[in-house]
Amino acid sequence: DGGITQSPKYLFRKEGQNVTLSCEQNLNHDAMYWYRQDPGQGLRLIYYSQIVNDFQKGDIAEGYSVSREKKESFPLTVTSAQKNPTAFYLCASSPSGGGLQETQYFGPGTRLLVL
Amino acid sequence: ELKVEQNPLFLSMQEGKNYTIYCNYSTTSDRLYWYRQDPGKSLESLFVLLSNGAVKQEGRLMASLDTKARLSTLHITAAVHDLSATYFCAVDSPSNYQLIWGAGTKLIIKP
Repeated sequence: DGGITQSPKYLFRKEGQNVTLSCEQNLNHDAMYWYRQDPGQGLRLIYYSQIVNDFQKGDIAEGYSVSREKKESFPLTVTSAQKNPTAFYLCASSPSGGGLQETQYFGPGTRLLVL
Repeated sequence: ELKVEQNPLFLSMQEGKNYTIYCNYSTTSDRLYWYRQDPGKSLESLFVLLSNGAVKQEGRLMASLDTKARLSTLHITAAVHDLSATYFCAVDSPSNYQLIWGAGTKLIIKP
């Protein structure tokens, strides 16, 4: 079955620790996205990538980093510089990174909690 | 700056009733999307509206788009409990490859 997987489902971070959230897709999509969702709120874009080895900052990139070394994978690192990381993190992908926005398909999400 | 506003943000209704959720956006956009999110879950795509006057229907949900008014509606007909969820609309940003999201409408349908 094609889809997007995220792991882990729950992640606990200690003060000063960097943690990495995994996102993998087998939909052969060019574009991938990371969003943050706080309780009762909408989605805010952290980073997006339209093609391998290229990515752009979204609205709230500070304290986060990404890489896109493979088409299928777009991991997100929450660094110690992100002072309020507790949130629900959603990864998404869409078919084309060529400037035409299309429906984004979402993974199941990772819930990050600070110890 | 492109803004997307949904209203109401919270809606509690009885089964069997009809209601409409509104999504207004501030500048020209080519596409509008509706998504559903169940509590603690991810987002599921419901509709993509591609042009002025577009109407799409799936079961008890019908979405429409008026690009001149910069307004989309999501109409719920004879609501059932299973439609309880948070509904988001989103539009293409005209300047980059982002989607701009509304804050979501939390819909509770009481049996």
